[in-house]
Amino acid sequence: QKEVEQDPGPLSVPEGAIVSLNCTYSNSAFQYFMWYRQYSRKGPELLMYTYSSGNKEDGRFTAQVDKSSKYISLFIRDSQPSDSATYLCAIMNQAGTALIFGKGTTLSVSS
Amino acid sequence: GAVVSQHPSWVICKSGTSVKIECRSLDFQATTMFWYRQFPKQSLMLMATSNEGSKATYEQGVEKDKFLINHASLTLSTLTVTSAHPEDSSFYICSARDLDQPQHFGDGTRLSIL
Repeated sequence: QKEVEQDPGPLSVPEGAIVSLNCTYSNSAFQYFMWYRQYSRKGPELLMYTYSSGNKEDGRFTAQVDKSSKYISLFIRDSQPSDSATYLCAIMNQAGTALIFGKGTTLSVSS
Repeated sequence: GAVVSQHPSWVICKSGTSVKIECRSLDFQATTMFWYRQFPKQSLMLMATSNEGSKATYEQGVEKDKFLINHASLTLSTLTVTSAHPEDSSFYICSARDLDQPQHFGDGTRLSIL
């Protein structure tokens, strides 16, 4: 089993839809969870960062962590065409020295 | 805040030449910098980790003599691809972080070797 699993999609939604992006992980010792957004031919941009179970909200984005299920989610409300990008979940490894990335989910929001 | 600048954004060069890519943290001190490689429609592959003033730690399978990393200051790291060949063509991305803060990424360098 891979350490971090993420469905690569692609995921296509109409403008205004609620988007749910998900990752699962295998090691219950992982504590730090991040979501990055990557536009084509650009570097990843940090969207959300959390280390505890529960929800963290920032504008239209909500990050959710369920440590008991080893499941993390990113919700995007009122999605916009500008949200079209690849979303990468990332988890800090146990040593705290590196990030383990999911494969990324490609999202397309149509107007 | 937390801006990482990477230069150049795109470089094309002949096979056999060496190419240097710079990564700078503009508004924070980068105690650790990372270099990644990304192939089309793939996720990021960590190549090496460097701490300021120390030798870089390379991931398994990454040739340290081909990919030279220098992290001479708290704001600058460089990756030099030596004697580059077409198979080295890729998208190289650096990231930086201060202590235990999240990593922030540069915009990447598209390297094309002819």
